[in-house]
Amino acid sequence: KAGVTQTPRYLIKTRGQQVTLSCSPISGHRSVSWYQQTPGQGLQFLFEYFSETQRNKGNFPGRFSGRQFSNSRSEMNVSTLELGDSALYLCASSLVGTASSRGYTFGSGTRLTVV
Amino acid sequence: ELKVEQNPLFLSMQEGKNYTIYCNYSTTSDRLYWYRQDPGKSLESLFVLLSNGAVKQEGRLMASLDTKARLSTLHITAAVHDLSATYFCAVPASNFGNEKLTFGTGTRLTIIP
Repeated sequence: KAGVTQTPRYLIKTRGQQVTLSCSPISGHRSVSWYQQTPGQGLQFLFEYFSETQRNKGNFPGRFSGRQFSNSRSEMNVSTLELGDSALYLCASSLVGTASSRGYTFGSGTRLTVV
Repeated sequence: ELKVEQNPLFLSMQEGKNYTIYCNYSTTSDRLYWYRQDPGKSLESLFVLLSNGAVKQEGRLMASLDTKARLSTLHITAAVHDLSATYFCAVPASNFGNEKLTFGTGTRLTIIP
């Protein structure tokens, strides 16, 4: 069974640009959550999508947005990039948005560097 | 607002020794998750604790949950070098059937031969 696939693995962007990250969940999973990991703030919840609807959102500015497609793949977009957006972005896949007995499955992440 | 505290933040221990990582959280939750992260890697699910008194064991790791004390522990028995990693606990807050995880700060564990 394929795992959670995140693309690209690495990105370097310039301040002011925008970026789109992609996450393909495990086949059959309908919930995708996004997390930001930085050395200073740790792991923080961005948002969660289920059946193309955003059900939950963390405390991030509106520059951070996302969407989910009918095949459950999800994208997140960050506009007007700032240096502080440099982070590892992780997505987590689950069947319906709560943990199964195996917990959430995380992708390998996208490491974004803003210069 | 849910707060999750882990201690210690850093732990350096010799192979063969035992130690415990603590995870305290501030609001009611009946479930808790433990994850492992190797440097530059993603999060690997270790344990899913779904009720008060839950205890799970896998190899040299054992996790438990006391929802009344709002405390979970991750116990390491006879540590080996392969266990060197950062360990996170995560507490879910449910909202309309989906969960938003609040992670602890992580415990960076280094096992010294």
